[in-house]
Amino acid sequence: KNEVEQSPQNLTAQEGEFITINCSYSVGISALHWLQQHPGGGIVSLFMLSSGKKKHGRLIATINIQEKHSSLHITASHPRDSAVYICAVLYGNNRLAFGKGNQVVVIP
Amino acid sequence: DAGITQSPRHKVTETGTPVTLRCHQTENHRYMYWYRQDPGHGLRLIHYSYGVKDTDKGEVSDGYSVSRSKTEDFLLTLESATSSQTSVYFCAISANRANTIYFGEGSWLTVV
Repeated sequence: KNEVEQSPQNLTAQEGEFITINCSYSVGISALHWLQQHPGGGIVSLFMLSSGKKKHGRLIATINIQEKHSSLHITASHPRDSAVYICAVLYGNNRLAFGKGNQVVVIP
Repeated sequence: DAGITQSPRHKVTETGTPVTLRCHQTENHRYMYWYRQDPGHGLRLIHYSYGVKDTDKGEVSDGYSVSRSKTEDFLLTLESATSSQTSVYFCAISANRANTIYFGEGSWLTVV
């Protein structure tokens, strides 16, 4: 079983600040997903990556396969970035394991 | 947005009654999944399907069954609902296991 740990569990930032949230996992993976869940429940896929770095707008996701670690960075944070960010890893026999999420609140 | 719809979106039911949740997709994706989301837990896989009539169990499959008679529809049935099955249920789809995964809006189920 692949354990997925996300940190920090809760993060509060002022609008405009740079935010970093982290995901660590315990066994080798073939891909990692970052998902966003707003209050009310809808889950949106932000990134899927297996190496290096991806950027979309103000969001940057990085992964270090050797260290079994990924980070999601939010530049120039905005209140609309307030959400739960979920890390999920694809491992073994094509299984997905999910972390419990990072709750991010951005204050105006 | 990926074309996934879940129904019903909200349901309250009594203990012991059967309940069926429907997931419908318009993307013709091969893989469909049912997850449940509970406080203090990550999303947990109940069952998934890798084709019409091809399904397999996930990590929390006890008390649930699924059926997929058409590519576009994946049904989740609680055979005899219990209070421990009060949860938010998410359907998801992907073209293959290593592709982007798309989620439905969720179905809130309360068993009283």
